Amino acid sequence: QVQMQESGPGLVKPSETLSLTCIVSDDSISANNCYWTWIRQPPGKGLEWIGSISYTGKTYYNSSLKSRVTVSGDTSKNLFSLTVTSLTAADSAVYYCAKGYAPACGGDCLDEAYFESWGQGSLVTVAS
Amino acid sequence: SFELTQPPSVAVSPGQTATIACSGDRLGDKFVSWYQQKPGQSPVLVIYRDTKRPSGIPERFSGSNSGNTATLTISGAQSLDEADYYCLAWESSSSGAFGGGTKVSVL
Repeated sequence: QVQMQESGPGLVKPSETLSLTCIVSDDSISANNCYWTWIRQPPGKGLEWIGSISYTGKTYYNSSLKSRVTVSGDTSKNLFSLTVTSLTAADSAVYYCAKGYAPACGGDCLDEAYFESWGQGSLVTVAS
Repeated sequence: SFELTQPPSVAVSPGQTATIACSGDRLGDKFVSWYQQKPGQSPVLVIYRDTKRPSGIPERFSGSNSGNTATLTISGAQSLDEADYYCLAWESSSSGAFGGGTKVSVL
């Protein structure tokens, strides 16, 4: 069973940049048909898909966040990361990393993926 | 933008059946997955590819998807099933959406 652990700053100032890392254990971010994903949840609200990086290194982003978000992977350290720029209070949320899987697809098929494992979440507050 | 709609809440008596709907444009043409989230915990996958249950998920959880509506059914609901439930589907690889979530109360 894959283990994932987010790490991040906790508190970030408005207009600054957030950087989060997800360390993956007992699986490889290069494993076939896997999509390593960031999802967030503002306090008391629902889930929002932010972006994903596939096992081939292809990235996908929520169109509403695309201009401010970057997802990257480091296969040598078996981790993937999220960067969000130009932060506002609306970016305050619990940020989850998750493993997406699309087993029946032979190529890059994020649109068939489901999230079978999640990290514990990292609370990020944007405040001065 | 691609949107999924869920009822905010569903109440069910212990042992009865709870049904949670998730609606979206031509949802039956897409794969839907469902997630259970208890307070203070990370979401857990309970249904994937419309109808499939991951190992370890009780048989009382089932799913269906047709037309514009996907449904999660909890047969013989128990108090430990109280949680928020979210559906997920993809319009494309750049347009994944969760439903707004449904709070299930067993009382």
